[in-house]
Amino acid sequence: KNEVEQSPQNLTAQEGEFITINCSYSVGISALHWLQQHPGGGIVSLFMLSSGKKKHGRLIATINIQEKHSSLHITASHPRDSAVYICAVLKGFRRYNNNDMRFGAGTRLTVKP
Amino acid sequence: EAGVTQFPSHSVIEKGQTVTLRCDPISGHDNLYWYRRVMGKEIKFLLHFVKESKQDESGMPNNRFLAERTGGTYSTLKVQPAELEDSGVYFCASSQGTGVEQYFGPGTRLTVT
Repeated sequence: KNEVEQSPQNLTAQEGEFITINCSYSVGISALHWLQQHPGGGIVSLFMLSSGKKKHGRLIATINIQEKHSSLHITASHPRDSAVYICAVLKGFRRYNNNDMRFGAGTRLTVKP
Repeated sequence: EAGVTQFPSHSVIEKGQTVTLRCDPISGHDNLYWYRRVMGKEIKFLLHFVKESKQDESGMPNNRFLAERTGGTYSTLKVQPAELEDSGVYFCASSQGTGVEQYFGPGTRLTVT
C-alpha cells in the first residue's frame, strides 16, 4: 500500500465548478507538496505546507496534521486547470533531510468548457 | 531566472543500448534530486546530491544506473544497458537547501524498445 493515497484518481468537471482533491498519508512528515503536471509538460510546485492553509489565486491547500490529510481546492475551475495534480510528502520530522519524498499516484483533472 | 532544465526531452533507444540524461539545476542550488515515474505508478525517488556528493542513492534500482554531478553543477544519469522496464519519465529537481521547496524540471521521457 502506498504511503500517500490520493482521491479521486480521475475527475471530470464542468467549467466553473468547485473542485476538491484529497490526499491522505500514513507516515510522519515535515511538509507536504501539491504539484501540477500538464500533459506533456514538467512538474510545477503549487504549494508546500506543513500546517493550516495556503491560498494562491483560485487554488487553496489545507492540511490537517493530526488527521494526516490534505486537500487541494480549485474555485471557479477553468479548462486550463486540466492537469494531473500530485500530492507529495517529505517523510520524517526533521527538516534538514528532505530527500525522502513520497508521492501519490496523482489525480487527473479534466475541466470541460 | 532560468528554471531546472533537462535534456533530452524524449529519448527512444533499443534494449541493451546506453542513454545519458542530463539535468541542469537552478544556479546556486546545491541540492539536486532525480526521480522516476514508470507507467501507471507513482513518482519514486532515485537519489539526492548535495553539491557533488551523493547524499542518498537508496532509490537507485540497480547498478545499471549511474549518476554523477562532477563540479557540483549539472548532473547526468546514465542507464547502461537499458532494459524495457526502464521506460518512464525521469524528473530532476533542485533546491537551495533541505526542507525547502524543490523546483522540478520538465522531465525526460525514456522509451526502451
